[in-house]
Amino acid sequence: GAVVSQHPSWVICKSGTSVKIECRSLDFQATTMFWYRQFPKQSLMLMATSNEGSKATYEQGVEKDKFLINHASLTLSTLTVTSAHPEDSSFYICSARKASVSYEQYFGPGTRLTVT
Amino acid sequence: RKEVEQDPGPFNVPEGATVAFNCTYSNSASQSFFWYRQDCRKEPKLLMSVYSSGNEDGRFTAQLNRASQYISLLIRDSKLSDSATYLCVVTTTGTASKLTFGTGTRLQVTL
Repeated sequence: GAVVSQHPSWVICKSGTSVKIECRSLDFQATTMFWYRQFPKQSLMLMATSNEGSKATYEQGVEKDKFLINHASLTLSTLTVTSAHPEDSSFYICSARKASVSYEQYFGPGTRLTVT
Repeated sequence: RKEVEQDPGPFNVPEGATVAFNCTYSNSASQSFFWYRQDCRKEPKLLMSVYSSGNEDGRFTAQLNRASQYISLLIRDSKLSDSATYLCVVTTTGTASKLTFGTGTRLQVTL
């Protein structure tokens, strides 16, 4: 199988604080990981593409200084939401792609962030 | 215009019914096509890939019409457990292919 975990599964934080979300591929190496955000009743929107050992590529409209992505190893990528605001409250989902397959992505269970 | 468009529904159908979802995509260079299923507050899970020749997996049949840039999913003999949101997904070309998701169609199967 191809299992991706995310931690934490949910988090509540105060406005102005930073939150780090971890995404791990448990049984395979992932050269590429993706970070998505999903607001209620909306589709998943790609935030950024993260390649191991290099800087992430952010989608248009996503602030790279606010959403810090680190992909330091082939099994771990982290997303840090800095100076969180209530409008950052959302469902954050990561996915990982195996090196050998170009399109298939394996999704983590998601992290629900609530900023109060 | 959205890259991938779907009727949001909800589609409310009785158990045993046949239901079809449609999806259109705007980028004619799109290469790969999928249907994903997403349960409430959960991550999306791959249901099936979609090929021009059409493909079937049990009660599920997917079709792709490249000329019309149209994708469909047919579910036969609906089960209560089929209740979920069905996401139409396309990818662009290249090894850095990104998945582009539609907003999803909500299906509710009732007794």
